[in-house]
Amino acid sequence: GENVEQHPSTLSVQEGDSAVIKCTYSDSASNYFPWYKQELGKRPQLIIDIRSNVGEKKDQRIAVTLNKTAKHFSLHITETQPEDSAVYFCAASMDSGYSTLTFGKGTMLLVSP
Amino acid sequence: GAVVSQHPSWVICKSGTSVKIECRSLDFQATTMFWYRQFPKQSLMLMATSNEGSKATYEQGVEKDKFLINHASLTLSTLTVTSAHPEDSSFYICSADYYNEQFFGPGTRLTVL
Repeated sequence: GENVEQHPSTLSVQEGDSAVIKCTYSDSASNYFPWYKQELGKRPQLIIDIRSNVGEKKDQRIAVTLNKTAKHFSLHITETQPEDSAVYFCAASMDSGYSTLTFGKGTMLLVSP
Repeated sequence: GAVVSQHPSWVICKSGTSVKIECRSLDFQATTMFWYRQFPKQSLMLMATSNEGSKATYEQGVEKDKFLINHASLTLSTLTVTSAHPEDSSFYICSADYYNEQFFGPGTRLTVL
């Protein structure tokens, strides 16, 4: 089955800095890669996703890049703010019929004012 | 749109009792729902895929007789933890598939004494 590795496990940045979280996946058949933000005790919220026919996608301060050849994808957050502090999960699935997601272990992002 | 609710939001029970958790899609019909378990500071682990009108598909290592899943309608899936033990204490989150995107419920915090 699919295996998703996520790094780093924790990331501390100063407000205004950029943050980058990286994930690799094992199954070349995976073609849907969402990123979720989860605050303590709350549900994961989809923040951005990318499909394999696209190499990069951007939404305001958040961007995701995908390298299918190398089987890795990354989340980029620019101009970080304290409210960006949360745990971020990457995931991968085969986007066919219904999407069974395999999650990375998560990255705790701490943005200091 | 695509709102998923869970009930209860938290529950405390005695060891040996059974607990039922409900997952509802409020504004859409969900043929497929998913149940995850999340231990503190860990990622979401898929337990099973719940399909309306048919048996759930359990992930390897998840006891189907202990974690009973019923998906009797297009808007409701239930997870029953039978003969709960302290090691079953966890955060249980459901999600529903809507056009190949998963929308998560708010989670249920289960504590078994």
